[in-house]
Amino acid sequence: DTGVSQDPRHKITKRGQNVTFRCDPISEHNRLYWYRQTLGQGPEFLTYFQNEAQLEKSRLLSDRFSAERPKGSFSTLEIQRTEQGDSAMYLCASSLSGQGKGYTFGSGTRLTVV
Amino acid sequence: AQTVTQSQPEMSVQEAETVTLSCTYDTSESNYYLFWYKQPPSRQMILVIRQEAYKQQNATENRFSVNFQKAAKSFSLKISDSQLGDTAMYFCAFMSAGANNLFFGTGTRLTVIP
Repeated sequence: DTGVSQDPRHKITKRGQNVTFRCDPISEHNRLYWYRQTLGQGPEFLTYFQNEAQLEKSRLLSDRFSAERPKGSFSTLEIQRTEQGDSAMYLCASSLSGQGKGYTFGSGTRLTVV
Repeated sequence: AQTVTQSQPEMSVQEAETVTLSCTYDTSESNYYLFWYKQPPSRQMILVIRQEAYKQQNATENRFSVNFQKAAKSFSLKISDSQLGDTAMYFCAFMSAGANNLFFGTGTRLTVIP
């Protein structure tokens, strides 16, 4: 197992375009998380899945954002009509069920909206 | 709402010396988990150490140890025998028992000087 993989590593897009990111978690991890990290800040929670069910969404996740995890394996995060304020590092993490489990993070996708 | 505060934006330490990174948090809960994550320049977050709030004994992982003061809501990280590879951003994070998302501080950038 190579850990949590994210694709692409970098994405530059024009304002108003749609973008989609992919995350492949550790195969035996049933929980998957998306976080956003802007420069100089710690990661902020966006959403979380247990298997294929999206169980929690942050208020940060506006209606332009949608996340899916079909079949409980990989996940995608789509941003529609991108805005310059969406420029950030998007981090994916996975974990096993159970209280207080630490996450395994991917390397992130850096999005730049121009 | 939980908040995590890291009051040291940047720190430096000589190689082989010891350094302590500070973290305080605010919560009304009695049961929770605390974490330190390391984010090297490659950007992948790595779990360094984890502490369960109901355990009084401070967690230790090789050169890394914590000083957990529950009453003071303080959770500092001590790195002994600092190595060049310890150069990274360090994030303190909080998770409520029964919750699934991590709250991160703003990070401390640590530079180990040869």
